[in-house]
Formats: sequence, C-alpha cells, structure tokens
Amino acid sequence: KAGVTQTPRYLIKTRGQQVTLSCSPISGHRSVSWYQQTPGQGLQFLFEYFSETQRNKGNFPGRFSGRQFSNSRSEMNVSTLELGDSALYLCASSLVAGGVNEQFFGPGTRLTVL
Amino acid sequence: DAKTTQPTSMDCAEGRAANLPCNHSTISGNEYVYWYRQIHSQGPQYIIHGLKNNETNEMASLIITEDRKSSTLILPHATLRDTAVYYCIVRVSGNTPLVFGKGTRLSVIA
Repeated sequence: KAGVTQTPRYLIKTRGQQVTLSCSPISGHRSVSWYQQTPGQGLQFLFEYFSETQRNKGNFPGRFSGRQFSNSRSEMNVSTLELGDSALYLCASSLVAGGVNEQFFGPGTRLTVL
Repeated sequence: DAKTTQPTSMDCAEGRAANLPCNHSTISGNEYVYWYRQIHSQGPQYIIHGLKNNETNEMASLIITEDRKSSTLILPHATLRDTAVYYCIVRVSGNTPLVFGKGTRLSVIA
C-alpha cells in the first residue's frame, strides 16, 4: 500500500505570495492532519480534516487554511507569505479521526520564503 | 504545550539496548502514551503506544510504570539506523491532535 504523498517536495516563494500544498493520504484513510516544523518551534499542529470537515485547528493565523476533498486528498494554503513561514510542512493520515489509531506521516514539503 | 519531559539527548552503542525515558506526571486516566521518531529530514514515524500495560511490537517495547507517571521506550538492539529524535506524547483517545515536545535525540554509535 502506498504511503502518504506530498507535493511538491520543495518550494521557493517570495514574501507576499501565496502557496498551496497538496497531500494524498494512504488509501482508505479519511483523516488528514497538517503540521509545521521549524527549528525554533518544533512540530506544531495546524489543522485536521475528516470527511471534508475541519475537526481541529491549531493556533495559527487565518493566513493558514486548508480543505479536504471527497477522495480524502487535502490541500493547505498559506496566503501573504512571511519569512517566518519557511518550514517543513508535514501531512499525516489516519484511518479514522480520533481513537487510538496511529498517524502516518508523509515526507513533507520544504517551503522557503525569500 | 507538551505534557511530557524527555532528556535532550542520549548515546547508545550499536547492538546494545537503548532505553529512552519519558516523564508524564500529569497524565490523565484516559490518556495514552505514544512514541514517534523522526529520522533526519523525514516525516515522523509511529513506533508504539500504550495505556497502562506494557506493550511490545516488532520495533520496540514500551514499559509504563504502575502509577503511569513515567514510561520507557526500549529498542532492544539499536542499530545506526535508529539514530533519530524520539518523541513521547500523551494523548486522549478521541478528537485531539498530537502535541510534540522537543524529544530526545538518540545517537547510536558504532
């Protein structure tokens, strides 16, 4: 079974631009979570989607948004990019939302904002 | 904020058991202990989780103290490929995301 895939793997943008990242979960998984990882703040939860509905949201500004499609694929968008948005963005999928089921992480998208 | 305390770093000789401690003194009765690891530049990888009984799988063993205030992840025969940052996380079974702390950087030395 294929793992979680994220595209693109690397991205360079300039301040003020917007960016869209994509995540395809493991087949059959219906929950997708997004995390941001920076050297200073570590791994931080952004949001979680299940059945096209946002179930949880972390403490990030409204410039960060996401959505999930009927096939469980998810996208996250960051508008008006700032230098501090440079990070590794990780997507994780799980079979269902909540429960004790494990989350499977993708390789991440490394975003650099210049 | 993370509800766990882990040593910043540890070394282990290749072939020996790696014992990674985690303190979670404020854990609630319905919170599970999860362990993930992150090898450099990769996404985190699930290792194991438990509630109150000791657990073992093909990767590791998880020992939880009787009062559940601490636990130890055991990699029985560490290899160089086990060099990674190991995260201990407590999480309620339900609608809560994973909250990562700073983890323990394990270096396996030949």
